[in-house]
Amino acid sequence: KAGVTQTPRYLIKTRGQQVTLSCSPISGHRSVSWYQQTPGQGLQFLFEYFSETQRNKGNFPGRFSGRQFSNSRSEMNVSTLELGDSALYLCASSPALSGNEQFFGPGTRLTVL
Amino acid sequence: AQTVTQSQPEMSVQEAETVTLSCTYDTSESDYYLFWYKQPPSRQMILVIRQEAYKQQNATENRFSVNFQKAAKSFSLKISDSQLGDAAMYFCAYRSAQGPLNDMRFGAGTRLTVKP
Repeated sequence: KAGVTQTPRYLIKTRGQQVTLSCSPISGHRSVSWYQQTPGQGLQFLFEYFSETQRNKGNFPGRFSGRQFSNSRSEMNVSTLELGDSALYLCASSPALSGNEQFFGPGTRLTVL
Repeated sequence: AQTVTQSQPEMSVQEAETVTLSCTYDTSESDYYLFWYKQPPSRQMILVIRQEAYKQQNATENRFSVNFQKAAKSFSLKISDSQLGDAAMYFCAYRSAQGPLNDMRFGAGTRLTVKP
């Protein structure tokens, strides 16, 4: 099976712009989670989608949003980018909502100038 | 809220030796899962080992084993016969078995250096 894929791998944006990141889960996996990884804050949970519904949300401002499509692919969007949004954004998929380990993608490195 | 603590920001081990990475967590739940993930430099995060809280037996995967102490809420990772490829950031993670608010909680990570 192909692993979790994320596009693009690298992205440079300027403050105030918006960005959309994409994640394709492992075939058959219906749960997709998003994390922000920074040196200072570590891995922080953004949100989780299951069967096109947001099931759980972390403590991030409303500028961070996401969605999941019927084929389980997911996108996350960040509007009005701030310098502090520079991070590695990781997507992870799992077969179900609870208990299962999550399989991570390579991440999208976002730099905000 | 569940929290995961890794008290060792950095660890170092000689090749072929054994090293133990520490992890403690805080929860009031009885049913949950614990994980150790490895993130090599500029590479993908991969699962090293998984432990179900209801199982008393410690999980083992080849050179990797855990010491799960449920009462003490401790979940350490032992790496035997360390190899250069083991050098990475290691993250301990907790996930509740009870949905729906069961996002995975990660510790701050331990950077492991393997010396030849």
